[in-house]
Formats: sequence, C-alpha cells, structure tokens
Amino acid sequence: ETGVTQSPTHLIKTRGQQVTLRCSSQSGHNTVSWYQQALGQGPQFIFQYYREEENGRGNFPPRFSGLQFPNYSSELNVNALELDDSALYLCASSLGGGLETQYFGPGTRLLVL
Amino acid sequence: QKEVEQNSGPLSVPEGAIASLNCTYSDRVSQSFFWYRQYSGKSPELIMSIYSNGDKEDGRFTAQLNKASQYVSLLIRDSQPSDSATYLCAVTVRPTGNQFYFGTGTSLTVIP
Repeated sequence: ETGVTQSPTHLIKTRGQQVTLRCSSQSGHNTVSWYQQALGQGPQFIFQYYREEENGRGNFPPRFSGLQFPNYSSELNVNALELDDSALYLCASSLGGGLETQYFGPGTRLLVL
Repeated sequence: QKEVEQNSGPLSVPEGAIASLNCTYSDRVSQSFFWYRQYSGKSPELIMSIYSNGDKEDGRFTAQLNKASQYVSLLIRDSQPSDSATYLCAVTVRPTGNQFYFGTGTSLTVIP
C-alpha cells in the first residue's frame, strides 16, 4: 500500500456530463500528478500540482482541470465527457515539485456511455 | 516520435529463468528512470529507480542504464509466477518539466 487513496473506485457517466475525481496524497507528500491510462496503454500525464499550483501539464484539452487543496489532496475535473475519456485515472503523489519517485493510488475507472 | 518505447510482448519465461525487459527513449535530456509493475486491473507499483549509468540491484531485480545508447533495462532473476504482470518503463524529461513519460508496457508471463 502506498498510502495514496482515490475516490470513487468506479464511475459510469454519459457523454456530455461532468465528473470530479478525488485523490489524497501520501502523508508528507506535497505534489500530486494525474494520469489517464487507456486499456492496453501506458499512463499519460495530464497535469501536476505542487503546493496548490499547477506545475506542468500534458497534452490534454482545457476541459480537463484540477486543483490542489491546502492539505495537498487534489481533484481532477473533466467537463463535456467524451466516449474516449473512458479510462483508468491514476493519481500519484511525490515529495517535492521535481522529479522524485511517484507513488500511485489504486485509480478510478471511468466509463463514459 | 514516442518518448519511450517498449516491446509490448508478450514475453514468456519458465519459472526460475531470467526475464529481460528493455526500454528505449528519445534523445532528450532525460533525468530519471523508473520501472513499475502493474498487475491486471491494478495501479502501477514502483520496482526501482535508476539515475546513473550502470547497474542497480535490488533483490532479484537489476536495472541497467546506458544513457549513451538511450536504453534502460530490467532483469528479473529466478522469475516466479507472481512476477507475471505488465512492466512499465517511465522516464522524466527536464525540458518539459516534471512529467513522467511512460512506455506502453511489456506483458510478462512466468510459466510454472
């Protein structure tokens, strides 16, 4: 167990809806990164938050947004859901805003119908 | 060009054999290198990290890094059926910030 938790574990939405996924980082970690993992693919970087500020963003459209709270937990919001958004969403926590080792939570599996 | 490439496999080895997993990365200022293991339906779990050229050993696992040839590999000695999983290579690239670039993973099956 990494100490990183995510909720919910599974979610079913319909196209056009909005979704919020949540992540609690490991104790002492101030950095949270979010990844999308489609079936059979490696995780793709969405963005990273370090001390409540966005600290890097991957090639995802603006309808993917997030925030980090003072306790370093984080949310990923996705608006106007599309079928291709169906994936495993992973949160990873690390110490510091740099290149340190990232520890993953169990993930949220999102299905968009 | 993909940042990180792995042979998707599947790779099958008999129990007790050495499994060799390879990963190549594009010509960028790559900083740190990681191997993660992912069981079906689960999230990735860290096996090891490596930052300098050469070998790094941790139990049955050895990571090898060759920055000149742009590859990183993972050797699993005395493979066990419980090692059957997908192995993901991850690379961090300084010019683009703090994101991890993952390969698509290599599926390993250890046959009892």
